[in-house]
Amino acid sequence: AAGVIQSPRHLIKEKRETATLKCYPIPRHDTVYWYQQGPGQDPQFLISFYEKMQSDKGSIPDRFSAQQFSDYHSELNMSSLELGDSALYFCASSWYGMNTEAFFGQGTRLTVV
Amino acid sequence: GESVGLHLPTLSVQEGDNSIINCAYSNSASDYFIWYKQESGKGPQFIIDIRSNMDKRQGQRVTVLLNKTVKHLSLQIAATQPGDSAVYFCPMYQGGKLIFGQGTELSVKP
Repeated sequence: AAGVIQSPRHLIKEKRETATLKCYPIPRHDTVYWYQQGPGQDPQFLISFYEKMQSDKGSIPDRFSAQQFSDYHSELNMSSLELGDSALYFCASSWYGMNTEAFFGQGTRLTVV
Repeated sequence: GESVGLHLPTLSVQEGDNSIINCAYSNSASDYFIWYKQESGKGPQFIIDIRSNMDKRQGQRVTVLLNKTVKHLSLQIAATQPGDSAVYFCPMYQGGKLIFGQGTELSVKP
């Protein structure tokens, strides 16, 4: 069965650079979520999209932005990277509002040096 | 707001023993509960879920128990195996998104 696909799996950037993370949800899922997980931390909700519109926003820095495209894939854009942005970034998809399981991708490990 | 908590940050069990991981929640209106397993460097993986109209649900080697009276959720793993070593989360849905609390790290000793 198709799962949530994230790319790239690993990314190394320098401070003040920009990064773009991509997420391809499970086909026919209408909701995408982005999470950030620092070392030893629990996943923190960043932002979500329902039917290509932003549906909720969490603790996402202003330097970050995201969107969902017509083919339902989503991109998380991160600018002016800081050392503290180093983390695992997960994307998940589900059927919105159905209180069902969200399926997570394998994540992108971002390292800012 | 919702609070999600686990009773112990770490749990160490002997291979073959049963494991019990606990979770407390605060929102009495929650009607759906879910457990995830996260192995190091990987994404959270769905284990089992339960709706509020049930108090027990069984899967393969796992059982989830729900006590709505005391707002407590537990995950039982039978015959724990080394492959069960991971961090376990019981996130809660808030406004259509999952909010994670601190997980419990399960270590299985051979």
